[in-house]
Amino acid sequence: SQQGEEDPQALSIQEGENATMNCSYKTSINNLQWYRQNSGRGLVHLILIRSNEREKHSGRLRVTLDTSKKSSSLLITASRAADTASYFCATDNTGNQFYFGTGTSLTVIP
Amino acid sequence: GAVVSQHPSRVICKSGTSVKIECRSLDFQATTMFWYRQFPKQSLMLMATSNEGSKATYEQGVEKDKFLINHASLTLSTLTVTSAHPEDSSFYICSARGQLDPRGGQETQYFGPGTRLLVL
Repeated sequence: SQQGEEDPQALSIQEGENATMNCSYKTSINNLQWYRQNSGRGLVHLILIRSNEREKHSGRLRVTLDTSKKSSSLLITASRAADTASYFCATDNTGNQFYFGTGTSLTVIP
Repeated sequence: GAVVSQHPSRVICKSGTSVKIECRSLDFQATTMFWYRQFPKQSLMLMATSNEGSKATYEQGVEKDKFLINHASLTLSTLTVTSAHPEDSSFYICSARGQLDPRGGQETQYFGPGTRLLVL
């Protein structure tokens, strides 16, 4: 399947630090979305960035998209313990298919 | 608020029984619905894609006779796990693709909250 790859697989930081997660994908996309999932819970949509956009902000989140490198990054600034979760990127490709990355497990230590 | 709902949110069943999971798009018509499966601490794996009124397209390795998908209307899709076994225990997530704004705009995909299935 045409999944995205995320890097790193696991990240542990101190509260207040910034967390950066990267996502690479393989095919041309319409948009890329980032989701958050707390352990054992459903998905929470964080942000959507379209293929013609390069950067987008939402609160403490900043997402970049580089279509030439087929990669995206999610930055969470001033992290909090409540940000502890798994973060997935998902690509909506031009074939109207939607695939998830492998996910980054973020732990924010109080 | 939520734009896609799933029911039930959690189900426990005995081995050999069949379980039906519903996925509904709220306030918009879904041209396509998708079913995903997630194992613990892993990513979501696409199982199948379904369009209203036509047969679902299954991903490689997914048994279509095991996981029956019915997309009866533009707002409802169901996944039936037939003769469930313990290895079918998983988190099943649906998504619906459509336009929230009836006046137009780009379609996008919205995810349901998931259904946790435990087969004893």
